[in-house]
Amino acid sequence: GESVGLHLPTLSVQEGDNSIINCAYSNSASDYFIWYKQESGKGPQFIIDIRSNMDKRQGQRVTVLLNKTVKHLSLQIAATQPGDSAVYFCAADSRYNNNDMRFGAGTRLTVKP
Amino acid sequence: NAGVTQTPKFRVLKTGQSMTLLCAQDMNHEYMYWYRQDPGMGLRLIHYSVGEGTTAKGEVPDGYNVSRLKKQNFLLGLESAAPSQTSVYFCASAGFRDRYLYGYTFGSGTRLTVV
Repeated sequence: GESVGLHLPTLSVQEGDNSIINCAYSNSASDYFIWYKQESGKGPQFIIDIRSNMDKRQGQRVTVLLNKTVKHLSLQIAATQPGDSAVYFCAADSRYNNNDMRFGAGTRLTVKP
Repeated sequence: NAGVTQTPKFRVLKTGQSMTLLCAQDMNHEYMYWYRQDPGMGLRLIHYSVGEGTTAKGEVPDGYNVSRLKKQNFLLGLESAAPSQTSVYFCASAGFRDRYLYGYTFGSGTRLTVV
């Protein structure tokens, strides 16, 4: 079945630095990917998504890169701020697999002042 | 615009008791999902629904039942609660267009403890 994983369970960065969070997926039919941010005690919050017909998409201070060849995507956060401290999840979905969105375990990002 | 609303937010059950978690969305989304989140395990899909009157099993469906009698509501039932079902439960909904999901939105969660 589908598995979606993250390379590191924790990531610590200095305020103002750029952060990169990585994710790997196993289903080559996955064609839609989402990054979520979850703060303590809250539900996951949508950050950015990307479809498989793109390899890069930018939002406000965030960029998602998709490498379908190696089934890998990354979330880049520019000028990381203390408010970015949270757990970040990637999720993968496939139009050909009943759209049952599957999530990775999450990476905890800690921003040091 | 409330988005996705879950009730209750907290609940403590005794082993063997039953309960129903309610999820309501006001975005006219076709798809709705129930996940559980355990420490270090991420979000695991319990059941989902692609439309009113339909349901399907996810990764961890055992011990749970669901119903989608109305498009805006998705109910998760525990018939006989077990301590292993202690978790935080999240509901989500998404629209569906051109065979793609969009607008994937989560509720704020229900923290369930089974003693």
